[in-house]
Amino acid sequence: QQQVKQSPQSLIVQKGGIPIINCAYENTAFDYFPWYQQFPGKGPALLIAIRPDVSEKKEGRFTISFNKSAKQFSLHIMDSQPGDSATYFCAARAGGANNLFFGTGTRLTVIP
Amino acid sequence: EADIYQTPRYLVIGTGKKITLECSQTMGHDKMYWYQQDPGMELHLIHYSYGVNSTEKGDLSSESTVSRIRTEHFPLTLESARPSHTSQYLCASSEPGGQPQHFGDGTRLSIL
Repeated sequence: QQQVKQSPQSLIVQKGGIPIINCAYENTAFDYFPWYQQFPGKGPALLIAIRPDVSEKKEGRFTISFNKSAKQFSLHIMDSQPGDSATYFCAARAGGANNLFFGTGTRLTVIP
Repeated sequence: EADIYQTPRYLVIGTGKKITLECSQTMGHDKMYWYQQDPGMELHLIHYSYGVNSTEKGDLSSESTVSRIRTEHFPLTLESARPSHTSQYLCASSEPGGQPQHFGDGTRLSIL
């Protein structure tokens, strides 16, 4: 059973647009929610992460919104650029566990 | 950028061969992980290690085995490769807290 559900599977936006990627979970033991960015031929790299005691976190053009009651979180990319074209994975971890549960990924294409 | 290296990057090999995928990190991390990633699918944890002489199976059953004789080295072995083992294998490491996990660029394995 998939622990973290991610949508959409792919996304195409124009340069300057604000793509939004959504993730949902059921396990209330999850206490750490990272987003990873993966370019072709490369491993995933941590982009930004949030814990459930805050509703929003910004790092540069990347923002995570977190809705604890709905058990949903999303990634927003402000002023998107062609260099942001990559696959984005959300993930979640239960406190103290080693295992990160990943979503199925969203392939983002930013058109110049 | 994280210093975690995987070799080979690509491997095409026949059924029945013994394969070892190498993973090394220079960050002195105690925790190391192996994930399996198929196209369009989430990453699944197949093995992890807390430190030297410690190995555990992840949540996805795998016919591969791992060893951890040195802190910096975490090789994965398939004794007899089969076409069902065709996948991308990603190695990661982290500090004792478990996060963030730093990934290598992966080995793309194809078994003919």
